Amino acid sequence: AQKVTQAQTEISVVEKEDVTLDCVYETRDTTYYLFWYKQPPSGELVFLIRRNSFDEQNEISGRYSWNFQKSTSSFNFTITASQVVDSAVYFCALSGMNTGFQKLVFGTGTRLLVSP
Amino acid sequence: DVKVTQSSRYLVKRTGEKVFLECVQDMDHENMFWYRQDPGLGLRLIYFSYDVKMKEKGDIPEGYSVSREKKERFSLILESASTNQTSMYLCASIFQTGQGRTDTQYFGPGTRLTVL
Repeated sequence: AQKVTQAQTEISVVEKEDVTLDCVYETRDTTYYLFWYKQPPSGELVFLIRRNSFDEQNEISGRYSWNFQKSTSSFNFTITASQVVDSAVYFCALSGMNTGFQKLVFGTGTRLLVSP
Repeated sequence: DVKVTQSSRYLVKRTGEKVFLECVQDMDHENMFWYRQDPGLGLRLIYFSYDVKMKEKGDIPEGYSVSREKKERFSLILESASTNQTSMYLCASIFQTGQGRTDTQYFGPGTRLTVL
């Protein structure tokens, strides 16, 4: 079975702090994809990143960075110098051969509150 | 840009009413999905469709049905709404890729349904 665990229910930081959102996954597939989505208060899920299981290179996009480690089955997300606009719920998700690749299994989300 | 729209942002219905939630995407995507989002549970898949008139049950299909008469439109139907169906409903679509690969799911803004 596939499973995504986001153990942090809510994180509160002050602006300009760095913050890391944890994501741990379980799958028996050898080929799978990992995703991060952001859900601002408006409600729409905004795609942030997709990473396949063969690409363990870390990625940086502006203030966002992702650390993929197959050895620990983790795909953590770091926001550097957080801003109030980063306040949202963040979801980690997984798709694999077992679920036909097209279907996503989501974690329960981490609510990030950034105060000025 | 991919555009996924949902017919209503907020909806209030009474127990026993038949409820239609509509979703339209403008990118000619083959696959479409309906999720419900509840606090502490993340997003759970209700139904998905991989082609016109084709559908498959997700993880929580009980109490729901779907309709896909046209490629761009995917409807979620609550035959007889109940209070435990009060939730946020999110629609998504994705391009059908080849075997062993996946693209990114794009989400609509969500419909917050309250059943009284």
